[in-house]
Amino acid sequence: KQEVTQIPAALSVPEGENLVLNCSFTDSAIYNLQWFRQDPGKGLTSLLLIQSSQREQTSGRLNASLDKSSGRSTLYIAASQPGDSATYLCAVPPANQAGTALIFGKGTTLSVSS
Amino acid sequence: KAGVTQTPRYLIKTRGQQVTLSCSPISGHRSVSWYQQTPGQGLQFLFEYFSETQRNKGNFPGRFSGRQFSNSRSEMNVSTLELGDSALYLCASSFGPGETQYFGPGTRLLVL
Repeated sequence: KQEVTQIPAALSVPEGENLVLNCSFTDSAIYNLQWFRQDPGKGLTSLLLIQSSQREQTSGRLNASLDKSSGRSTLYIAASQPGDSATYLCAVPPANQAGTALIFGKGTTLSVSS
Repeated sequence: KAGVTQTPRYLIKTRGQQVTLSCSPISGHRSVSWYQQTPGQGLQFLFEYFSETQRNKGNFPGRFSGRQFSNSRSEMNVSTLELGDSALYLCASSFGPGETQYFGPGTRLLVL
């Protein structure tokens, strides 16, 4: 059974710092991995989708990497801003399935102070 | 392009009642998934629909059901509500399996 773990559970940094959020999954037979952001009481915003054939994806100040063999993904945020404060979630489909039934980690809650 | 919309946004029900939640996907999206989010369990998958067919179902009791219409809109129903059903119910749509999922704002259900 696929399980997703995110470390750390919470992170506080001053504005301007570069930071890395970690995500690990137990079964490497995934089709893709997706990173989301959730603001308090709101829905999820998709940040990056990495297909299993890709090693990384970039969008603005965000860079996500995927290492299937080790069951790990990282989300790198450059030059953090207070507006980046949110909970960041990673999610994968069940092993060997390309469907939309995502399995989520519990998230990392990021606080960026000005 | 309009995003995923969910109605209603907030609901208060009492134990034993039933509830129906609605989700309208992004235009052109044929896949709709539903998730339950609670502080204790986090985000848990409920159902996945593609072209009116349920492709997958999460580990929830039979009180939770759903369907998808020919216009890709989806509904989920919870019968005989329990206090533990209080949660944020999120709907997501995508072009199809394996594509980026886009989430709606959610329906917050409180069961008293």
